[in-house]
Amino acid sequence: QVQLVQSEAEVKKPGASVKVSCTASDNSFSSYGVTWVRQAPGQGLEWLGWISAFINKTHYAPRVQGRVTLTTDTSTRTAYMELRSLRSDDTAVYYCARDYVTGAGGYWGQGTLVTVSS
Amino acid sequence: EIVMTQSPVTLSVSPGERATLSCRASQSVGSNLAWYQQKPGQPPRLVMYGASTRATGFPARFGGSGYGTEFTLTISNLQSEDFAVYYCQQYSNRPPWTFGPGTKVEIK
Repeated sequence: QVQLVQSEAEVKKPGASVKVSCTASDNSFSSYGVTWVRQAPGQGLEWLGWISAFINKTHYAPRVQGRVTLTTDTSTRTAYMELRSLRSDDTAVYYCARDYVTGAGGYWGQGTLVTVSS
Repeated sequence: EIVMTQSPVTLSVSPGERATLSCRASQSVGSNLAWYQQKPGQPPRLVMYGASTRATGFPARFGGSGYGTEFTLTISNLQSEDFAVYYCQQYSNRPPWTFGPGTKVEIK
């Protein structure tokens, strides 16, 4: 089964940008969508967006739309989530997940902690 | 945006008993409903999709039901490894998709 490996933890200052990567062990991203989810410390899961290179489509959560961009590089089997204009409440563990069926993430990365602090 | 609610917030259950978790959507999502299990320090794990189809690795004591706006996850004969937080998520044909706030299943 596919394994997803995410980039290492990041510490950023308010107003900066962060780009988190998610690399698959196979060519899954050519055929399946990728969801990005975050989880603030001690909180629940927040859906951020979904991208499908296969059908060339993205969906974003209203709360982060305009600040987030999802991309996929199928040649390197890597998906990216870039979040700009970071605020302290963006501090969270960010997860990528490959579709099991469209919209439901069946294969998850290990998570990337992004800390926003001055 | 479709808002998901879950009840109860916390469910205290003895091993071997049954847990019934509820999830409600503010608008119909058809059967486009998933359940996830999350343990501390781990990513979520897909339990159920299509409201009632078990994901790989989950035994038959996990059951899902519902359609439209009301959904239930039932875990029979609770085992120690089942104690966790469970989230529902809708993935209807009208993004954005959203998660519920979660139900913690704890040992009584």
